[in-house]
Amino acid sequence: EVQLVESGGGLVQPGGSLRLSCAASGFTFSSYWMHWVRQAPGKGLVWVSRIKSDGTSTTYADSVKGRFTISRDNAKKTLYMQMNSLRAEDTAVYYCARDRHCGGDCYTTDFDSWGQGTLVTVSS
Amino acid sequence: DIQMTQSPSSLSASVGDRVTITCRASQSISSYVNWYQQKSGKAPKLLIYAASSLQSGVPSRFSGSGSGTDFTLTISSLQPEDFATYYCQQSYSTPPTFGQGTKVEIK
Repeated sequence: EVQLVESGGGLVQPGGSLRLSCAASGFTFSSYWMHWVRQAPGKGLVWVSRIKSDGTSTTYADSVKGRFTISRDNAKKTLYMQMNSLRAEDTAVYYCARDRHCGGDCYTTDFDSWGQGTLVTVSS
Repeated sequence: DIQMTQSPSSLSASVGDRVTITCRASQSISSYVNWYQQKSGKAPKLLIYAASSLQSGVPSRFSGSGSGTDFTLTISSLQPEDFATYYCQQSYSTPPTFGQGTKVEIK
């Protein structure tokens, strides 16, 4: 069974930093592109970032570019998001999501498995 | 960025009803649309990918159609477990973007 478990959320002051983790199990983690998607309280879904299966390619939403860094450790089957210079508008539940596999180096941006989410609250 | 606009924003329906949700893209996106279901306090779940392909394990009462700019999610016979919020999402270009959601409530 595919399982994604996020951790690392919490309350942080504006300008602070936080590191999220997403532990994967039940599938060959190193073969899949992975994503972070967030959802502000009571709002819709917003894509944040993606990373290639081998970690050599990353892409970010404009709203987080230069502040957030996605990474992965395939030996530990874990996805990360380092979040710096946090702002109130970054307050959200952060989900890690698996890209539906299409073979080779391609990605689909179809999110076929999701974690339960971790809440990040940026407030003084 | 491609804007995805869903309608309606909410609807009330009874068990057994046929329900249709529409999604319009701000430009042509071929068939690069996915549909997700999200229940309160839970993570989204992929229902339909590539506009009309049913994700493994999803009941056949869910179906999707459309291409270009106009897409539809249909629930043929609404069940009690289907009351949730539904989102469309385009996978045509980066950044992938979602519709604002359609909340399906019990009538």
